[in-house]
Parts: sequence; structure tokens; C-alpha cells
Amino acid sequence: ETGVTQSPTHLIKTRGQQVTLRCSSQSGHNTVSWYQQALGQGPQFIFQYYREEENGRGNFPPRFSGLQFPNYSSELNVNALELDDSALYLCASSVAGYGYTFGSGTRLTVV
Amino acid sequence: KQEVTQIPAALSVPEGENLVLNCSFTDSAIYNLQWFRQDPGKGLTSLLLIQSSQREQTSGRLNASLDKSSGRSTLYIAASQPGDSATYLCAVENQAGTALIFGKGTTLSVSS
Repeated sequence: ETGVTQSPTHLIKTRGQQVTLRCSSQSGHNTVSWYQQALGQGPQFIFQYYREEENGRGNFPPRFSGLQFPNYSSELNVNALELDDSALYLCASSVAGYGYTFGSGTRLTVV
Repeated sequence: KQEVTQIPAALSVPEGENLVLNCSFTDSAIYNLQWFRQDPGKGLTSLLLIQSSQREQTSGRLNASLDKSSGRSTLYIAASQPGDSATYLCAVENQAGTALIFGKGTTLSVSS
């Protein structure tokens, strides 16, 4: 097992810019989810992808979008960055019924 | 709307103590429940998964129980060690299996 790998680990962006975060799923996991964790809070669900289709979405605006690729890797794209988008972004891969494996996260700072 | 509450928010204990972390949820229609550990600024490490048909899981010094009808789960840590210091997060999976809903966590500090 290779686990879940996220890149980059940290980045700083300016308000209004766009950002792409990347995730490589654990081998054999066909589902990927993204979460946003603000300081001192629990992670908040952004969306989930299964077989390259979005199959669940949390309370996030459309400027948060994603992709899942045939090799089950994934991207999270955020357009028109706002200061409140500063957070730890977590990717998780899973197989139905067997729990979630999280990556180490990407720390995004918007200035 | 599912809400997950963890009590206490913070806990400080001396090394060697047994302790219980509590998690409650408002909607009993869940799929699975999972406990995670998070070190400062890091990702989540899965500790225990309790599947919908199960009531308890154990791993080493950790034991988690689930009572879906009352909307409660507990994480029991035996003989705590300084290395156990971290934030512990409880998450319930919605019945569709498409999302985890997290509590805010319990921050544990174990002193030597």
C-alpha cells in the first residue's frame, strides 16, 4: 500500500487567483473525497468522486471544483480565491464500507 | 442535518491514566463511524472503524463502541502515554456512504 499522497504540502496565493491541489489515492481505492479544515475546526466535506463522476457535494460554492482521473488520482480546483479559503485541504480515498484513508494535507494560505 | 459533538473539547491527564472520549450524533441513520487522530498541522490517521453492523472495535490500547440508537460513541484509551497527545476526531458516515461528518475534536495532552 502506498497510502494517500497530496501535493504541494504548502502554498501561498493572492486573493482572486486560482489554485489546483493534487491527490494520489491509495492503491485499489476507487473513491476520492476532499475536505476543508479551518484552524480549530473539524474537517468539512467538499465533494466526493466515484469512477470519475461527482456523487456527493457539501455546502461549497461552484468555484470549488474537482476531477478524478482513470488512475483514481484527483484534483481540487478553487477559483477566485478568498481570504476565508485559507485552510488545510485534505484528500481521502476509500472503498465503500471500509473506511477512509487521509493524506497529510495541503496548507493553503490566501493573502 | 447531521451534527456531531465531541466532549470534552480538551483534556489533560497524567501518564498512565485510562480515559474516555465521547462523541454524539443527532441522526442515528449512519453508515459507519470512524475515529481519527490528528497531530498539529498534520493529516488524519485512522484509529478505528466501526461498521454499521458492529458495536465495538479494539486495537491495542484503544477500544471504541457504538450505540446507533442513542447516537453515541466512546473511545477508550488505556494506560495513556505522552505519545498519545493529539486531537482525536470522531466522524460519522452518512447513510448514502458519500460523506463523513466530523466533530470538532478532543485535544488530549498526556504529561509524563
